[in-house]
This record gives sequence, structure tokens and C-alpha cells, in this order.
Amino acid sequence: DVVLTQSPVSLPVTLGQPASIACRSSQSLVNSAGNTYLSWFQQRPGQSPRRLIYEVSKRDSGVPDRFSGSGSDTDFTLKISRVEAEDVGVYYCMQGSQWPYTFGQGTKLEIK
Amino acid sequence: VQLVESGGGLVQPGGSLILSCAASGFSFNNYWINWVRQAPGKGLVWVAIINTDGSTTGYADSVKGRFTISRDNARNTAYLQMNSLGADDTALYYCARDVAGSPHSWGQGTLVTVSS
Repeated sequence: DVVLTQSPVSLPVTLGQPASIACRSSQSLVNSAGNTYLSWFQQRPGQSPRRLIYEVSKRDSGVPDRFSGSGSDTDFTLKISRVEAEDVGVYYCMQGSQWPYTFGQGTKLEIK
Repeated sequence: VQLVESGGGLVQPGGSLILSCAASGFSFNNYWINWVRQAPGKGLVWVAIINTDGSTTGYADSVKGRFTISRDNARNTAYLQMNSLGADDTALYYCARDVAGSPHSWGQGTLVTVSS
């Protein structure tokens, strides 16, 4: 199975400052069709997860443009250009390039 | 788009439970469906997936042979049959519509507690 390792596990950020979360895969996420199914999810306290980014860098509808995804092969990054109070929560990367799908362990973003 | 899970509850170790995921607001039979679970205070764990007509399914290793995912497109509902439940299966279970290779629209979840 593909193992996704996120860093850092905890991310204290000052409001208005940028934030970055890394997600490293134990193997290439490029599938046999040449697609890379790496997604990012946000889970605010007490809420269901919400997908932010899919296929590495495509932003879902309604997601603020301060969120961006990048990367390739085994190394991926979620960036928030300017953190706002509503961004507090846990962020997960997830791969859908091969079964079983797997999630990273999560990164908890908090405001300093 | 709405997904509503139901069927959770308290079950004894070794017992069984069937979860339902009722969908509305979209063409249910055009989308794969996932089940994802989250133990209390823990991270997200993918459980299972089913394709549009139910002919293809996939499972996490931890549930393979114990859980069965299915769907009834006439009822716009997906199911998760869970057998031989253990304490490690205690979690909030979410269903989610699959879009572009990952869960997109999520329900609110249904809580399964395995305890004697």
C-alpha cells in the first residue's frame, strides 16, 4: 500500500502569514494512464472533511485562491498564501492513484 | 448534492451492522461512492469504493473479507455491510461521492461503536 507522510504534524501560524504542508509518498503517484491523483482535504473542528485540491493542483469550486497545490511523482505541497482564522483545522493529503486509497496522518493548523 | 448516512449504533464485538448512504441532488448512478471512517480523535481512513453499476469494488486491507460495499441505483443508496466487528472498527463512518479520483462531496457521518 502507498504510505503518505505529512510534515509538519503541527503547524502554528500567525494570521496573514503563509503556511506550507508537505506530503511525501512511498511510491510514485503517477498511474498507468499518466494521471496523478493526489488530493488535499480540510477538516475544521466538528465538521466533515472538505476537498480543497484534486489532481495535485486543481482547486475545487468555492475554494479561496489563497490555497494552492503543487508537486509531482512522490513529493507534494499544499500552500496557503495568507492564513485566515477560518483556516484552523486538520489538513490531509490523499492518494487515489492506486487501491487502496490512502490518507496522510494529518497536519493540525492553529493560529499562534 | 446531499449524502446522508444512517444505520450506526452500538454493537457488540463480533456483531454486524449495515450502514446506508442516501444520495440526492445529483445523478447517483453516474458516480463511484466511497466509505471513509474516522476513529474518535484520529485521522481519516479510506474503507471501500464501488463503481457506478456495482460491478467493481475495492477495500482497505483492514476490512477486506469482513465488509461489503454495495449500491441500489433505483433507491439512490449505497450500503456498507460490516461483519465480525471489533473495537478497532469504532469510528464515524462517512460516505462520499468520488470525483476525479478522490472523495468530493461528504455526508455528516454515522457513528459506529463496538463495545460489550
